Amino acid sequence: GAVVSQHPSWVICKSGTSVKIECRSLDFQATTMFWYRQFPKQSLMLMATSNEGSKATYEQGVEKDKFLINHASLTLSTLTVTSAHPEDSSFYICSAREAGRNTGELFFGEGSRLTVL
Amino acid sequence: DQQVKQNSPSLSVQEGRISILNCDYTNSMFDYFLWYKKYPAEGPTFLISISSIKDKNEDGRFTVFLNKSAKHLSLHIVPSQPGDSAVYFCAASGGYNFNKFYFGSGTKLNVKP
Repeated sequence: GAVVSQHPSWVICKSGTSVKIECRSLDFQATTMFWYRQFPKQSLMLMATSNEGSKATYEQGVEKDKFLINHASLTLSTLTVTSAHPEDSSFYICSAREAGRNTGELFFGEGSRLTVL
Repeated sequence: DQQVKQNSPSLSVQEGRISILNCDYTNSMFDYFLWYKKYPAEGPTFLISISSIKDKNEDGRFTVFLNKSAKHLSLHIVPSQPGDSAVYFCAASGGYNFNKFYFGSGTKLNVKP
């Protein structure tokens, strides 16, 4: 099946720094990628929809200046957590839909655990 | 307001028996539903899907049932195996937001040998 890879899988940073998380579709092209955040024992919360070549669409309540999303190519989307604070510590997961595929199936990355000290 | 709900955080089943995981949704515009399986420290993996034109979809040991009038879907695993132990998420999309999926909070299934 299609593979989506996230990097890094875990990262620890100091408060006030910025962290970039990459989401790559390894064997398919993804015109649309999604970014989620998961708090312990809670569901995946959709943060934003990342469209190749255009601005991301953010869900209500998600600060676009805080969580910068760039989808520069058909195989790469990045999420940058700017000026990170301890409350940004979470598990971030991306997913991608294969271009031209009509099943609606999403392929997920392994997730990235962010800890802000 | 959570549009997709999984009210059972955990379920324990004996190996060989049936596992039934439930999911409810509130948005009547949802017309496509997915089940995902997630092991610890891994991303979710697709399991099975169903569109609103059907009320049942079967794939091997996994069957998803959709009751549109009740806004309810369920995943049946028969027979359950210890390797099925994982967290199961249901997800839904449709309407104007057909490109977005909304997830339930997950049900942790434990299949005992």
